[in-house]
Amino acid sequence: DAGVIQSPRHEVTEMGQEVTLRCKPISGHDYLFWYRQTMMRGLELLIYFNNNVPIDDSGMPEDRFSAKMPNASFSTLKIQPSEPRDSAVYFCASSFNRGTGDNEQFFGPGTRLTVL
Amino acid sequence: AQSVTQLGSHVSVSEGALVLLRCNYSSSVPPYLFWYVQYPNQGLQLLLKYTSAATLVKGINGFEAEFKKSETSFHLTKPSAHMSDAAEYFCAVSRGGATNKLIFGTGTLLAVQP
Repeated sequence: DAGVIQSPRHEVTEMGQEVTLRCKPISGHDYLFWYRQTMMRGLELLIYFNNNVPIDDSGMPEDRFSAKMPNASFSTLKIQPSEPRDSAVYFCASSFNRGTGDNEQFFGPGTRLTVL
Repeated sequence: AQSVTQLGSHVSVSEGALVLLRCNYSSSVPPYLFWYVQYPNQGLQLLLKYTSAATLVKGINGFEAEFKKSETSFHLTKPSAHMSDAAEYFCAVSRGGATNKLIFGTGTLLAVQP
């Protein structure tokens, strides 16, 4: 199993540019999560999907952030326009609901975003 | 609402010493509890999880955690620290049911001194 795949691993862009982060969850998983990690704010849940449908986007910081999941094997997180304060490591995670409650999440390696 | 509190954002131990990382939870329903580890420049990796089958849970790399309902705690321990254990450790709680959402603590950075 390849695990959760994220691309790119590193992204450097200039303020005002559009940034798109990509995630491929583990095959068969029905939940997908997007997190952001910074030194100041720690690990924050941005949004999560169940069966490709957004369930809770209350963690999305602003309208500049949007996420989609067009099918079970692909999701994107887009920032438009990007700002320096968006610099962070963005993680994607997926999980499978076995119905038992102990459903761990599997994390990808993250995308380190730097906005200049 | 569910939450976890990790006491100590930084913990330093000597190689070979006991590792104890503290986690207290708050939950109105029987919780599912998890410990994750994050090595530098990597994603989070599951160490172990509590599912009510046993109060003492053994995980990878020699770590274990004990669920104590009376103390609402789920502390992580390892008898003898190794240099490779230096990482950040996160405690998390889930209410289970129809959501796979986890509530993470703020993390504890473990340093291991030679």
